[in-house]
Amino acid sequence: KAGVTQTPRYLIKTRGQQVTLSCSPISGHRSVSWYQQTPGQGLQFLFEYFSETQRNKGNFPGRFSGRQFSNSRSEMNVSTLELGDSALYLCASSLAPDVINYGYTFGSGTRLTVV
Amino acid sequence: DAKTTQPNSMESNEEEPVHLPCNHSTISGTDYIHWYRQLPSQGPEYVIHGLTSNVNNRMASLAIAEDRKSSTLILHRATLRDAAVYYCILSSNAGNNRKLIWGLGTSLAVNP
Repeated sequence: KAGVTQTPRYLIKTRGQQVTLSCSPISGHRSVSWYQQTPGQGLQFLFEYFSETQRNKGNFPGRFSGRQFSNSRSEMNVSTLELGDSALYLCASSLAPDVINYGYTFGSGTRLTVV
Repeated sequence: DAKTTQPNSMESNEEEPVHLPCNHSTISGTDYIHWYRQLPSQGPEYVIHGLTSNVNNRMASLAIAEDRKSSTLILHRATLRDAAVYYCILSSNAGNNRKLIWGLGTSLAVNP
């Protein structure tokens, strides 16, 4: 079966611009989580969606937002980009928001570079 | 949130066992211990998880200390494909949800 698909794979944006990243979860998975990965900070949790509702949110500024559609696909948006937003953005899908009984399957990520 | 501490890097030889340690001295009674690994240019992939008892699956074994303040991921026979960053993670019960708290992981090099 198809895995988690993230598009685009690579993106270069200028400071001040905004960006939208997309994640298509595994078919049947209804929970999508987003993470930011940087060399110094590791994986930082952004937010989690289940059935179009945000269930959990990490400690990121309001410039970071997301949503989930009825087909479980999710998008995250970053407005007013800063150089520090350069990172690998990872999406993880799960059958349900229960990491104990349903592990995460990650996509390969979107590499965002802000110049 | 409880955190984990892992060595930055470790090295092993192919076909030898590898023991990857993780310290989580502030773990709470309901926190599960998860291990994921991240191969180069890929997202993390699930390896194993447990609460109190040792766990085995086709990929690895997880040995959890009796006081649960540390755990060890055991790869029984390392292969070149096992070269990755290994993350020891606790799942924190945040309200009705559980989220994973990630550390920086251990970069494992496997020598042929």
